[in-house]
Amino acid sequence: GQQLNQSPQSMFIQEGEDVSMNCTSSSIFNTWLWYKQDPGEGPVLLIALYKAGELTSNGRLTAQFGITRKDSFLNISASIPSDVGIYFCAGRDRGANSKLTFGKGITLSVRP
Amino acid sequence: ETGVTQTPRHLVMGMTNKKSLKCEQHLGHNAMYWYKQSAKKPLELMFVYSLEERVENNSVPSRFSPECPNSSHLFLHLHTLQPEDSALYLCASSQVGGFTNTEAFFGQGTRLTVV
Repeated sequence: GQQLNQSPQSMFIQEGEDVSMNCTSSSIFNTWLWYKQDPGEGPVLLIALYKAGELTSNGRLTAQFGITRKDSFLNISASIPSDVGIYFCAGRDRGANSKLTFGKGITLSVRP
Repeated sequence: ETGVTQTPRHLVMGMTNKKSLKCEQHLGHNAMYWYKQSAKKPLELMFVYSLEERVENNSVPSRFSPECPNSSHLFLHLHTLQPEDSALYLCASSQVGGFTNTEAFFGQGTRLTVV
């Protein structure tokens, strides 16, 4: 089946640093999504991307839909302690009714 | 109440018990989902209901039985579970079809422990 690869499993950064994480696939996706999950909570949608090459920002977060449609990147600038959590990428290969494939997630820790 | 709410938040059950997880969405969406989240694994889609009809069942064991009485409520009935079924069970809803589609909104999840 389809798989999305996220690595490393964990990242540790200093408060104020920028961090970049990516998500790759061996197959093409038409939609890329980035979710964040805080401890004890459900995932929350951060950014949705629907067009190859698209670059979208949400505050300090910026995500890009790779031009090959096989990858996506999420950048967090000037990290703060509340950025701690698990960041998941998700992809959809067909229309809005098709199911999402999720990556395993990257756990981000921010040292004050 | 807003968004997607799940109850209970935590559940411990024995392997011979029968319990139910409840999900309610207040977003006016027409599709609801059950996902299973295990440590170090991607979210696994279990069931999809669209307009109250089950449209997907991803080879989930019969000890998990979903029920969608209306577009706002979704249940997951559990019986004779195994310890490996311990996980976070997430409910989500979205709007599909028509002119307005939305991505999935997730509830806070039910942390299930089978002993």
